Amino acid sequence: DTGVSQNPRHKITKRGQNVTFRCDPISEHNRLYWYRQTLGQGPEFLTYFQNEAQLEKSRLLSDRFSAERPKGSFSTLEIQRTEQGDSAMYLCASSLNGDSPLHFGNGTRLTVT
Amino acid sequence: DQQVKQNSPSLSVQEGRISILNCDYTNSMFDYFLWYKKYPAEGPTFLISISSIKDKNEDGRFTVFLNKSAKHLSLHIVPSQPGDSAVYFCAPLSATNKLIFGTGTLLAVQP
Repeated sequence: DTGVSQNPRHKITKRGQNVTFRCDPISEHNRLYWYRQTLGQGPEFLTYFQNEAQLEKSRLLSDRFSAERPKGSFSTLEIQRTEQGDSAMYLCASSLNGDSPLHFGNGTRLTVT
Repeated sequence: DQQVKQNSPSLSVQEGRISILNCDYTNSMFDYFLWYKKYPAEGPTFLISISSIKDKNEDGRFTVFLNKSAKHLSLHIVPSQPGDSAVYFCAPLSATNKLIFGTGTLLAVQP
């Protein structure tokens, strides 16, 4: 299966700790997106990359959040000093280009206690 | 502000009947719309899309209708099957090529 892969699937952390998630997109997909989904809501856009360039960041992405895609392949999303409100499903998606549908991974579920 | 609204949180239909899922949007600049399906513990999967130059797009059992003047689109599934039970998201594409998701509609198809 060469779909979008996200690790870990689940993460439980204590408030104040830092966490990092990884996303491996579909090979040759230039675009990579991060979304966040909370209970009863649709996925909310966080940020996206065109190759290694981060082109847009949502205002939802506070300064505690940072995303990288250093070589234009995999991406990491780090949350520093986690808060309980950060508890959500973090979804990664990739697409071949801006006109192509997004292919999502199965997400990383973060629980902050 | 909620740019994309799916006002029915849930829908229940009998197997073999038609399922109609609705979506309203506020931004008249949206010109490409996608529907995604999501099963529990999985990421959303692309289902069908429609461009604003069309008012209908059909793919097998799935048809999406777009009414630009009303800023409304709908997804029809016929005949509905139990495997169609999932959450369906309407997602227009913004001018900066990001998807704006609605809140979703949980479809339950009863055998």
